[in-house]
Amino acid sequence: DGGITQSPKYLFRKEGQNVTLSCEQNLNHDAMYWYRQDPGQGLRLIYYSQIVNDFQKGDIAEGYSVSREKKESFPLTVTSAQKNPTAFYLCASKSHGHTGELFFGEGSRLTVL
Amino acid sequence: GQQVMQIPQYQHVQEGEDFTTYCNSSTTLSNIQWYKQRPGGHPVFLIQLVKSGEVKKQKRLTFQFGEAKKNSSLHITATQTTDVGTYFCAVISSGSARQLTFGSGTQLTVLP
Repeated sequence: DGGITQSPKYLFRKEGQNVTLSCEQNLNHDAMYWYRQDPGQGLRLIYYSQIVNDFQKGDIAEGYSVSREKKESFPLTVTSAQKNPTAFYLCASKSHGHTGELFFGEGSRLTVL
Repeated sequence: GQQVMQIPQYQHVQEGEDFTTYCNSSTTLSNIQWYKQRPGGHPVFLIQLVKSGEVKKQKRLTFQFGEAKKNSSLHITATQTTDVGTYFCAVISSGSARQLTFGSGTQLTVLP
């Protein structure tokens, strides 16, 4: 089935450690996105990529990094510089054009101990 | 990015009652999308509105886009427990950035 796969679903890390969240899509979508969601709040854009080997900062990019070496993959690294990393992270993709719907993965819940 | 205000933040209704959530922008929007996120789940696309004054229906859900394209609403008639979740509006920023900015969401609780 076509879709977006995020892993791991749950992740625990100690302060000071970097962690990488995986996002893979087989929808042949050009654009991919990472959002962060805190309890009871909306989604905030971290990074997005409209094409392979190119990505742009969103509203809250500090403390995060991404890469887009393949069309199917858009991993997110939460670095130790991110002051409050505990959150629910959602990856999404969209076909070409700026009016298409977003397809979301099931999310990764990161807890920093 | 484009800013949208969404109200109310929370809404509790008795099963069978109606529900409405609103999104408002200070600037004219090119279009607006609506998503639903079930508890513990991920957002799922419901609909996109593009035209001024547009009204679309999906069974018990009615979506409206204001005449000035600065506001939108989602109305659910006769809520059911399956309607529980958080409803988000989302707008696409102008220009080439193509960022989708989400409202803060309205969390709907339906009491049986």
